[in-house]
Amino acid sequence: AQSVTQPDIHITVSEGASLELRCNYSYGATPYLFWYVQSPGQGLQLLLKYFSGDTLVQGIKGFEAEFKRSQSSFNLRKPSVHWSDAAEYFCAVGEYNFNKFYFGSGTKLNVKP
Amino acid sequence: DVKVTQSSRYLVKRTGEKVFLECVQDMDHENMFWYRQDPGLGLRLIYFSYDVKMKEKGDIPEGYSVSREKKERFSLILESASTNQTSMYLCASSSSPRETQYFGPGTRLLVL
Repeated sequence: AQSVTQPDIHITVSEGASLELRCNYSYGATPYLFWYVQSPGQGLQLLLKYFSGDTLVQGIKGFEAEFKRSQSSFNLRKPSVHWSDAAEYFCAVGEYNFNKFYFGSGTKLNVKP
Repeated sequence: DVKVTQSSRYLVKRTGEKVFLECVQDMDHENMFWYRQDPGLGLRLIYFSYDVKMKEKGDIPEGYSVSREKKERFSLILESASTNQTSMYLCASSSSPRETQYFGPGTRLLVL
């Protein structure tokens, strides 16, 4: 069965520091990969997505992610975190043929002033 | 601007009640989804629909049913609410599996 693992439940970084959130997936074919963000009291918003082509994808709010097939990973990065980035981040894998999505359990990001 | 609305932000129901959660999207999307979100478990797919009157079970369909009579509306039904169905319920829609899912604000359901 497909699965998505986000090994870090909570991460705290200082404002201005770099950030990397980890995501590993288990899926036989080439997956469709997504990162969503959920700010407190808000719905989920798409940050970026990968389907094919360049394995480094750029998203909104200065985020990027890199697809590494050999490691079955799709880690999210940001070079300099802002206090407004404090939120919960979800990695997701989509199945092309079966219209299903699998979400990771999420990583809560705290940003220290 | 794209919009997914859910009928209630907060709902309190009693055990055994039949509960209806409504979701409406204004983007003419084919696909609609119902998830529940629980701390530490992320989002889990309950049901999805890829067309009017079509539905498929997700990972945790037990205790739930759905209805899609019109393209823009997707309803989640708890036939007989139980306390373990206390959760945040999120509705989403997308034009295809490869496209962005747009989420509603969620309904926080408490079953007493």
